[in-house]
Amino acid sequence: KQEVTQIPAALSVPEGENLVLNCSFTDSAIYNLQWFRQDPGKGLTSLLLIQSSQREQTSGRLNASLDKSSGRSTLYIAASQPGDSATYLCAGGYGNKLVFGAGTILRVKS
Amino acid sequence: DAGVIQSPRHEVTEMGQEVTLRCKPISGHDYLFWYRQTMMRGLELLIYFNNNVPIDDSGMPEDRFSAKMPNASFSTLKIQPSEPRDSAVYFCASSFGGLAQHFGDGTRLSIL
Repeated sequence: KQEVTQIPAALSVPEGENLVLNCSFTDSAIYNLQWFRQDPGKGLTSLLLIQSSQREQTSGRLNASLDKSSGRSTLYIAASQPGDSATYLCAGGYGNKLVFGAGTILRVKS
Repeated sequence: DAGVIQSPRHEVTEMGQEVTLRCKPISGHDYLFWYRQTMMRGLELLIYFNNNVPIDDSGMPEDRFSAKMPNASFSTLKIQPSEPRDSAVYFCASSFGGLAQHFGDGTRLSIL
């Protein structure tokens, strides 16, 4: 069964800190790995998509890596800001289907 | 780009009533996905379409749920009859070529 796990479930950090969110998946036959952000009462915003042939993707202060052999992905956020506070979800892409983790609730304190 | 548009944003109805959720995908996208999000089970894929054709409906919980996509710019998810355990946030998403999925803001459904 394809499962995605995210650790930690919640994280609180002071503004300016660099932080790492972790995602692990059980089935390494992954097509891609996508990271999303969800704000309360809103839909999901796509942050980064890493194809299975890639090792990492970067967008601004965000960097996501993918290691298929170990079944892990990380999302690195540099110089965190209060506006980064949200729930971050990773999803493993298997064909056209996404399998989601439960998310990490991030709070950045000013 | 208008993004994925869902309606209604909120729906409150009584058990046994028919519920219809609507979705307009991003123009040019050829894949459309319906998800359900609950605290207990997280985000679950219900069904997805490619070029208006249902490809995988294995996530549809029961025969009470049905989805249609009559054209490239419109899809519906129907629940008949509705039950309290159907209460959740329902999301529609679309993508081009099965790549990055773009989500709507969801419909928050409450069945009393």
